Amino acid sequence: AQSVAQPEDQVNVAEGNPLTVKCTYSVSGNPYLFWYVQYPNRGLQFLLKYITGDNLVKGSYGFEAEFNKSQTSFHLKKPSALVSDSALYFCAVSDNTNAGKSTFGDGTTLTVKP
Amino acid sequence: EPEVTQTPSHQVTQMGQEVILRCVPISNHLYFYWYRQILGQKVEFLVSFYNNEISEKSEIFDDQFSVERPDGSNFTLKIRSTKLEDSAMYFCASSAGQTTNEKLFFGSGTQLSVL
Repeated sequence: AQSVAQPEDQVNVAEGNPLTVKCTYSVSGNPYLFWYVQYPNRGLQFLLKYITGDNLVKGSYGFEAEFNKSQTSFHLKKPSALVSDSALYFCAVSDNTNAGKSTFGDGTTLTVKP
Repeated sequence: EPEVTQTPSHQVTQMGQEVILRCVPISNHLYFYWYRQILGQKVEFLVSFYNNEISEKSEIFDDQFSVERPDGSNFTLKIRSTKLEDSAMYFCASSAGQTTNEKLFFGSGTQLSVL
């Protein structure tokens, strides 16, 4: 079985400050990890993924995520937040090669204030 | 960027009625998926579809649910006899391949309300 935890329902940051959205996972095999963003009235948009290789993954819109195997974490980060980053963020994990069968976290609402 | 389109954006139905949710995946994609998100809960995988057949499904996807690709462009989810607990946002997604090297593209969802 696989699971994802996003411990924070809400994250609030000021524009220009760094942001972190936390995610921890549990999976029996090798983890395949994803971040998605959901803007109001829109579907989920892929941000980035970790399959193998470098632990620091760079994605869309200046986001990056760091895979930490010992802490089973895959936190999403951005050095300087924008108001337009305000959205709902989902972490997802898969334990096989089928990305479509990922398990999603509950989501974290990010609010960036001017 | 190419988009997955879903219609309708909102669907209201009476309990026990059949509903069909429609999706147009990206044209050169081969793998198709349905997910649902009950209000306030996480996104849940329902089913994946490839080569005109279901490749995987979750426990949620019982006999009340079916999927079809009736022509070369549409991908539909049918709920045969809706229940109150089927009320959710339903997302369609598609990808060019199945492996995690591929990116999933999601539609903007259909909000289903069962009364």
